[in-house]
Amino acid sequence: AQTVTQSQPEMSVQEAETVTLSCTYDTSENNYYLFWYKQPPSRQMILVIRQEAYKQQNATENRFSVNFQKAAKSFSLKISDSQLGDTAMYFCAFKHSGAGSYQLTFGKGTKLSVIP
Amino acid sequence: NAGVTQTPKFQVLKTGQSMTLQCAQDMNHEYMSWYRQDPGMGLRLIHYSVGAGITDQGEVPNGYNVSRSTTEDFPLRLLSAAPSQTSVYFCASGLAYEQYFGPGTRLTVT
Repeated sequence: AQTVTQSQPEMSVQEAETVTLSCTYDTSENNYYLFWYKQPPSRQMILVIRQEAYKQQNATENRFSVNFQKAAKSFSLKISDSQLGDTAMYFCAFKHSGAGSYQLTFGKGTKLSVIP
Repeated sequence: NAGVTQTPKFQVLKTGQSMTLQCAQDMNHEYMSWYRQDPGMGLRLIHYSVGAGITDQGEVPNGYNVSRSTTEDFPLRLLSAAPSQTSVYFCASGLAYEQYFGPGTRLTVT
């Protein structure tokens, strides 16, 4: 079974600074997807960024980028120019890419606080 | 386009009571699933469905039943609620590369 580990239960960052959230995973598969989800106090799960394992280029979405190290099974999220609205729980998630495979395996989350 | 909707948003049950959490999506997705979220545990998969009439168990299925009679709806049934089922429940639907989550239901079992 796949496992996803987020080793930082809580983190804080000053507004406008940069912060990196860590995620490691364990799988014997070669093809898969990795995701970062944001959960603000509203409880809604919001997809932040997605990485396909066969792509060597790191995914980027505006201020959010990832550092995907396939051999090390590491998938960290970098948030640049942190804003107060980035305060949330962040979950790393893994999914096989095989046909008919939809289940997500989540890490336990990192609570990020952005300090004014 | 409402996306994924869940009702109710909040519910309090007594031990032994039964109830159904409703989930509906209007995106014509074949795949739907139910997760529970507990403090410090992330989201864990309860049951999922890859189409009408097809369901399967996830990581934590005990105490829950599901059925899928239409593409749009995927209700989750608690037959005899227990305090251990106190949690936030999320329904999701989607594609191979992206899933959309409902707003969640906070359930408390006393």
